[in-house]
Amino acid sequence: EVQLVEYGGGLVQPGRSLRLSCAASGFIFEHYAMHWVRQTPGKGLEWVSGISWNSGNIGYADSVKGRFTISKDNAKNSLYLQMNSLRAEDTALYYCAKDRGSFGVVTSMDVWGKGTTVTVSS
Amino acid sequence: EIVMTQSPATLSVSPGEGATLSCRASQSVSSNLAWYQQKPGQAPRLLIYAASTRATGIPARFSGSGSGTEFTLTISSLQSGDFAVYYCQQYNNWPLLFGGGTKVEIK
Repeated sequence: EVQLVEYGGGLVQPGRSLRLSCAASGFIFEHYAMHWVRQTPGKGLEWVSGISWNSGNIGYADSVKGRFTISKDNAKNSLYLQMNSLRAEDTALYYCAKDRGSFGVVTSMDVWGKGTTVTVSS
Repeated sequence: EIVMTQSPATLSVSPGEGATLSCRASQSVSSNLAWYQQKPGQAPRLLIYAASTRATGIPARFSGSGSGTEFTLTISSLQSGDFAVYYCQQYNNWPLLFGGGTKVEIK
């Protein structure tokens, strides 16, 4: 079964850092691009960051550029999101998602985790 | 930066009726557009990619069309499980972007 499990969320003060992790199983992780998407309660989806299968192509939303760093460890079947200089507006449910296409350019997201909640508050 | 606009924000439909949802991009995204369904308390589910290709396991009552800047998701004969929020997403360029969503509610 293809599965993504996120962890690492929690309550953090503004200006501090947090690292999210996503454990992947049931597919050949090194073949696929991966993404982080977030959602504020009652609001819509916001793509946060994506990374290509070989980590050669990385993108960020303007709202997190320069503060967040995505990385992928194919040996550990894991995706990470290092979040620095956190702000109240970063409070959200963070989803890890698998790209539909193998190798190639990033596309749509066909497998999603259940998400991990990040709350930024003093 | 591309802006994705979905309309209407809310659509009230009776079970058994059809629904047409729109997504507009501020500049061409070719056919690099996906549609997702999200139910309360659940993660999104991929319905359509490449503007018109149904994802694995998606019923034929869901269909997508369009290219360039104008896209449509059509749901024929809505069933109880179809009442949800629907999002479009462009993947033609970084950053990937979602539309604001259309809530399909029971009339």
